[in-house]
Amino acid sequence: AQSVSQHNHHVILSEAASLELGCNYSYGGTVNLFWYVQYPGQHLQLLLKYFSGDPLVKGIKGFEAEFIKSKFSFNLRKPSVQWSDTAEYFCAVANSGYSTLTFGKGTMLLVSP
Amino acid sequence: DVKVTQSSRYLVKRTGEKVFLECVQDMDHENMFWYRQDPGLGLRLIYFSYDVKMKEKGDIPEGYSVSREKKERFSLILESASTNQTSMYLCASSLFVRTGRFGQPQHFGDGTRLSIL
Repeated sequence: AQSVSQHNHHVILSEAASLELGCNYSYGGTVNLFWYVQYPGQHLQLLLKYFSGDPLVKGIKGFEAEFIKSKFSFNLRKPSVQWSDTAEYFCAVANSGYSTLTFGKGTMLLVSP
Repeated sequence: DVKVTQSSRYLVKRTGEKVFLECVQDMDHENMFWYRQDPGLGLRLIYFSYDVKMKEKGDIPEGYSVSREKKERFSLILESASTNQTSMYLCASSLFVRTGRFGQPQHFGDGTRLSIL
């Protein structure tokens, strides 16, 4: 069965610092990859997705992620974080042949002003 | 824009009660999902449905059942609520892609925070 690992449970950064959140999955083959964000008190929203093509994908709010197939990784990056990026971030993976997503346990990001 | 509506934001019930959580989506999505979200455990899939009257178990179906009588509505039922079912429950929907049957982006509701006393 697929499993998804997010390396850090909590990350604390100052505004303007660069961000990289790690995500690795266990099962190879063709995958769809997603990053979701949950702002305090709000529902989960899609940040970005990778289906195929350019492994560097850009999402909303200046986020991007890079798919490295050989490393089973899909790390999320942002060059300069803002206080408003404080949220919980979830990586998710879909395997070919399945309608479901497997989610990581999430990373709570706190950005101090 | 897709709207997934969960009937309650907060709910308090007693142990042993039968509890119904309702979810409605307005985008004609075939797939609907129920998760529970607990701190440090992320999202865990309870049940999902890919069509009316169809259901499949997720990772943690014990103590739960579901009902999908109409395409837009997916209900989660706690047959006899217990304190370990206190959690945040999230409903989601997505398109069913017939070619390759690949997981598509899921759209989430606001969640129901359920407390079992």
